[in-house]
Amino acid sequence: EAQVTQNPRYLITVTGKKLTVTCSQNMNHEYMSWYRQDPGLGLRQIYYSMNVEVTDKGDVPEGYKVSRKEKRNFPLILESPSPNQTSLYFCASSSRPQGSSYNSPLHFGNGTRLTVT
Amino acid sequence: GENVEQHPSTLSVQEGDSAVIKCTYSDSASNYFPWYKQELGKGPQLIIDIRSNVGEKKDQRIAVTLNKTAKHFSLHITETQPEDSAVYFCAAPNFNKFYFGSGTKLNVKP
Repeated sequence: EAQVTQNPRYLITVTGKKLTVTCSQNMNHEYMSWYRQDPGLGLRQIYYSMNVEVTDKGDVPEGYKVSRKEKRNFPLILESPSPNQTSLYFCASSSRPQGSSYNSPLHFGNGTRLTVT
Repeated sequence: GENVEQHPSTLSVQEGDSAVIKCTYSDSASNYFPWYKQELGKGPQLIIDIRSNVGEKKDQRIAVTLNKTAKHFSLHITETQPEDSAVYFCAAPNFNKFYFGSGTKLNVKP
């Protein structure tokens, strides 16, 4: 089954304790991205990756890091989490870069609910 | 970057009625406009999309219309059913970034 898998689904941590949220897709997609969802703000893009070893900032990258060492994996790293990073996080992938004349839809994982105390 | 505004934030309709959700965008270079449905506890899923070379697209009870001159696009759901209750997001990719509206919570009352 084609899917985007995020782990963990729920995570409670304390301020300053480094954490990683994993994301993996089995569709051989070039494009992967991370979003955070907050009430009233919709989905905001954190980072995206056009392909292996190619990553770039989205609209809200502060406090986050990513890496793309393999095509299928795109982990999100919070090196020193703070309470304002409490949110619902989504990973997504797509078969083509969104900036091309043909655009294909994003496929989302089921989310990771992060609480930082 | 792109600015996407979505209205209304909540919408309550009676089963069988129609629902309309509207979005506006700011960058005239945007040329692809998807709509996503998010059910409780799940990630958003694409329900319909439209590209700028067409003005309307329909898929059974769902349709999307696009007015490039006015920079707005709308989602139309006819004959609503309780399973249509969810949060709906519009989006407007711009180059390699994806911009979403703030979401509309649709409640279909039986």
